[in-house]
Formats: sequence, structure tokens, C-alpha cells
Amino acid sequence: ETGVTQTPRHLVMGMTNKKSLKCEQHLGHNAMYWYKQSAKKPLELMFVYNFKEQTENNSVPSRFSPECPNSSHLFLHLHTLQPEDSALYLCASSQDRRGFMGYTFGSGTRLTVV
Amino acid sequence: DQQVKQNSPSLSVQEGRISILNCDYTNSMFDYFLWYKKYPAEGPTFLISISSIKDKNEDGRFTVFLNKSAKHLSLHIVPSQPGDSAVYFCAASAAGGTSYGKLTFGQGTILTVHP
Repeated sequence: ETGVTQTPRHLVMGMTNKKSLKCEQHLGHNAMYWYKQSAKKPLELMFVYNFKEQTENNSVPSRFSPECPNSSHLFLHLHTLQPEDSALYLCASSQDRRGFMGYTFGSGTRLTVV
Repeated sequence: DQQVKQNSPSLSVQEGRISILNCDYTNSMFDYFLWYKKYPAEGPTFLISISSIKDKNEDGRFTVFLNKSAKHLSLHIVPSQPGDSAVYFCAASAAGGTSYGKLTFGQGTILTVHP
């Protein structure tokens, strides 16, 4: 079990559904991130939370809505997604925003929008 | 505009030989660089890093070289082992500007080490 746990591992949803991705870390890290990995593309940063406060929204469409109730938990709420949103969604955490000690990633949620 | 580029999508190497993975960047504000390794169905794992005040950092079989003037870094794996077969991502972090406080990743290089 890694230090960052993501659930579910796989998700298939219709374009009219609402679902949530969950991320949990027990590493005592202060920063948490959502990244998107599409085929043959770099990991794309979506959101950054530092001490529960959102510090970065990388021009993400509003159909993706993050929530960070505390430093250990991060959610990504999904609604009215498009097929092109199908991707691997990765959560990560780090001790500090610069990532000097590296980011710890979860195993990701493989999302398929049908 | 992709600020971190890994121009080789894949690399194939014989076991025991050297693997060299390359990465180029464009943002002069980047001052900290990292390599991550990713196996299928797992998240990326941190491998090795280097600060811009250095030009080399070594950890066991893994060595990262940084050429600031060329805005280029490379990861050397010697000797390569079949278990090293994975996707390798280069990442960079900036001291300021719009890239402060977040890692910018390259698109990854698939390394295959043949027995």
C-alpha cells in the first residue's frame, strides 16, 4: 500500500453522471495535487492545494470540481463530463510546494467516459 | 507550449548496458529537476533529483547530469536491468514565476531493458 491511496481504481461513467474521485494521504504532507495523464501526453497539472487552500487552478473546466476538507483528503467531483475527459487521474502529495523531497503519487483512477 | 520535453518516446537497451534518457527544458526559471519512474497500473515514483547549483547527482546505478547552458538533463542507468523497464518522466520546478510551486512534467520515455 502506497502512502497515497486513490479510489476507485477504475471508473466508467456516462456523460450525464455525477461521480467523485477520492485521494487520501497519511504522510503528513501539506500540499496535494490532481494531475491528468492522457495517452502520449505529459502529466497535466489540474489543481494544487497547500494547507487545504487551493493555490492553483490550471484553467480546468468547471465540470471538474475539487474539494479539500483537510490536509489528508482530496476529492475531485465530476459532472457532465465529455468522452475526451477519459484519462488516468493521479493524486499526489508533497511536504512542500516545491517538491524538493519529491511528490508521492497514488496509483491513479482510470476514468472512462461513455 | 511544452516547457519540458522528452523527445524520445521509447528506448530499448540490452541488460547490463547503459541507458541514457534525455530531457530538454525551455523555462529559465526552472532550478530543480526530478526524474520519476512509472510502472503500468501504478503512480509515478520519485527516482532522483538535482538542483541547478549542481551538474551531477548520483544514487547507486542512477546518475542525473544537468547542463544549464544547454537547458538539458539526462538520466544514466548503469548497468541496466530488466526491472528498470518502465516509463520515465522528467520534471522541473521553478523558483518563481508562473511555474512556482508545481512540477512540470515531460511526456515520458518508455524504457525497455532486454535480458
